[in-house]
Amino acid sequence: QEQLVESGGGVVQPGRSLRLSCTASGFNFRTYGMHWVRQAPGKGPEWVALIWYDGSDKYYADSVRGRFTISRDNFRNMVYLQMDSLRDEDTAVYYCARRQRSHADLWGQGTQVTVSS
Amino acid sequence: AIQLTQSPSSLSASVGDRVTITCRARQGFTTALAWYQQKPGKAPKVLIYGASTLQSGVPSRFSAGGSGTDFSLTISSLQPEDSATYYCQQFINFSLTFGGGTRVEIK
Repeated sequence: QEQLVESGGGVVQPGRSLRLSCTASGFNFRTYGMHWVRQAPGKGPEWVALIWYDGSDKYYADSVRGRFTISRDNFRNMVYLQMDSLRDEDTAVYYCARRQRSHADLWGQGTQVTVSS
Repeated sequence: AIQLTQSPSSLSASVGDRVTITCRARQGFTTALAWYQQKPGKAPKVLIYGASTLQSGVPSRFSAGGSGTDFSLTISSLQPEDSATYYCQQFINFSLTFGGGTRVEIK
């Protein structure tokens, strides 16, 4: 069964850091690009970052560029999102999602990140 | 940035009704448009990709079409389990952009 499971969310103060993890199973992880997408309370999804299947290319939303870093470990079937200098507006449910050519076809259940003092 | 405008923002319809949601882009782009369904507390689920291709396992009452700047998602016969929020999404410059969403309620 193809599955993505996120972890690492929690409550963090503004300016602090948090690292999210996403574990893939049931498919050939190393052949797929991976997205992180977030969704603030009551809002629509917002794309955060994309990493190429081999980690060679990475892309970021303007709102997180320079603060967030996406990475992956193809031996462990994991993708990560390192979030630094967190802001109140980063509060959201964070999803990892498998990239298909122009969409995301497999999503995890999400992990909640709350930035609050 | 290219924006996607969905309409209506919400609708209420009866079981068996035909429902259509539209998605308009400010600028023309390719057919790289997808539609998702999201239920409360759950992740988005892709219904349609490539503007009109039905994702495996999605009921055939869902269909979509369009090109350029105007796209639509149609539910041919609304079912109770279709109560959800629907989002369109385009892929340009390696990023995903989502529309504002359409909430579909069952009368």
